[in-house]
Amino acid sequence: AQTVTQSQPEMSVQEAETVTLSCTYDTSENNYYLFWYKQPPSRQMILVIRQEAYKQQNATENRFSVNFQKAAKSFSLKISDSQLGDTAMYFCAFMAPNTGNQFYFGTGTSLTVIP
Amino acid sequence: NAGVTQTPKFRILKIGQSMTLQCAQDMNHNYMYWYRQDPGMGLKLIYYSVGAGITDKGEVPNGYNVSRSTTEDFPLRLELAAPSQTSVYFCASSYSVGSGNTIYFGEGSWLTVV
Repeated sequence: AQTVTQSQPEMSVQEAETVTLSCTYDTSENNYYLFWYKQPPSRQMILVIRQEAYKQQNATENRFSVNFQKAAKSFSLKISDSQLGDTAMYFCAFMAPNTGNQFYFGTGTSLTVIP
Repeated sequence: NAGVTQTPKFRILKIGQSMTLQCAQDMNHNYMYWYRQDPGMGLKLIYYSVGAGITDKGEVPNGYNVSRSTTEDFPLRLELAAPSQTSVYFCASSYSVGSGNTIYFGEGSWLTVV
């Protein structure tokens, strides 16, 4: 079975500072994908960044980057130059094609950016 | 490109009523999903489908039914609504072949059962 764990229910960061959200997962699969989704108060689920497990290079999207440690099964999200609009719930997700394309989500981290 | 479209966005039901949440995607995705999200909680999978004519139960299927007659549509039916079904419901879809597997979500349907 696949599991995704987010151990930080709530976090806060000062505007313009950097924050890292943690995510660990458990799987016996070798081919899989990892994602971070942002959910603002509107509840819309927005893809932030995606990582393929076979790629060693960490994914980057503007101010968002990941630290993917495959051996440790860790997938943290770093947000640089935090902005007020980054305030949201962040969900880590895992998907392995061999598990029927089911997506497994963590319980979320609520991030507040303080002005 | 509309992506995943859900209707209605808001609905209030009385206990015992039934309704259908509509979901359509225009990305030709094989996989479709229904999740519910209770206040302050994560996503729980209700039902999913791997293609037209094929559906399967997720983590919390009781009180719901689905059908998948076409690739595009995946309606979720609530039978005999109960207060415990008050939640935000998300329909989602994903592609099945090769790389690029990402799940795309609709905007959510807010359901209150009173």
